[in-house]
Amino acid sequence: KAGVTQTPRYLIKTRGQQVTLSCSPISGHRSVSWYQQTPGQGLQFLFEYFSETQRNKGNFPGRFSGRQFSNSRSEMNVSTLELGDSALYLCASSGAEAEAFFGQGTRLTVV
Amino acid sequence: GIQVEQSPPDLILQEGANSTLRCNFSDSVNNLQWFHQNPWGQLINLFYIPSGTKQNGRLSATTVATERYSLLYISSSQTTDSGVYFCAVELTGNQFYFGTGTSLTVIP
Repeated sequence: KAGVTQTPRYLIKTRGQQVTLSCSPISGHRSVSWYQQTPGQGLQFLFEYFSETQRNKGNFPGRFSGRQFSNSRSEMNVSTLELGDSALYLCASSGAEAEAFFGQGTRLTVV
Repeated sequence: GIQVEQSPPDLILQEGANSTLRCNFSDSVNNLQWFHQNPWGQLINLFYIPSGTKQNGRLSATTVATERYSLLYISSSQTTDSGVYFCAVELTGNQFYFGTGTSLTVIP
């Protein structure tokens, strides 16, 4: 079956703009979680959605938000981009078996 | 929050050598997974191993949940094994805490 799909793969934005990233989970998986990876902070949890509800949220400012649709696809949005938001954004999907599978990531560069 | 420590941070091996990567965590966990991050950034699943021992080819892993550590063994290493290995633990609700990774370089 198809894996986790993230779009776009690469993105360049200007400071102050906003951006929306998309994640399509493995078919049948209802949980989607998002992570930010930077050289300085490593991999950090952003938030997790299950059946359209946010269940957990990491320690990120309110500029970072997300949502999940009825088909389990998820989007995350970052508003008022800062240079420090440049990172690899990864999403993971999990099903009843609890094992998490990650997408290829979206590499965001803020200039 | 939970602390996840991986050691060693860096490892350089001759092709054919064996290695052991360690992951220590500070609290009881629901889930533990090992990943290999490829050069393009994707995290490739190696093991889902909240407890016990599993083997997959040249790789095997052991988690001793009561003592809060996990080990990843790589035998007969190959250059394609190079990359960063992450241990990630989950407390609840698919929220993973990652270690800082072990960067492995296998030289021919």
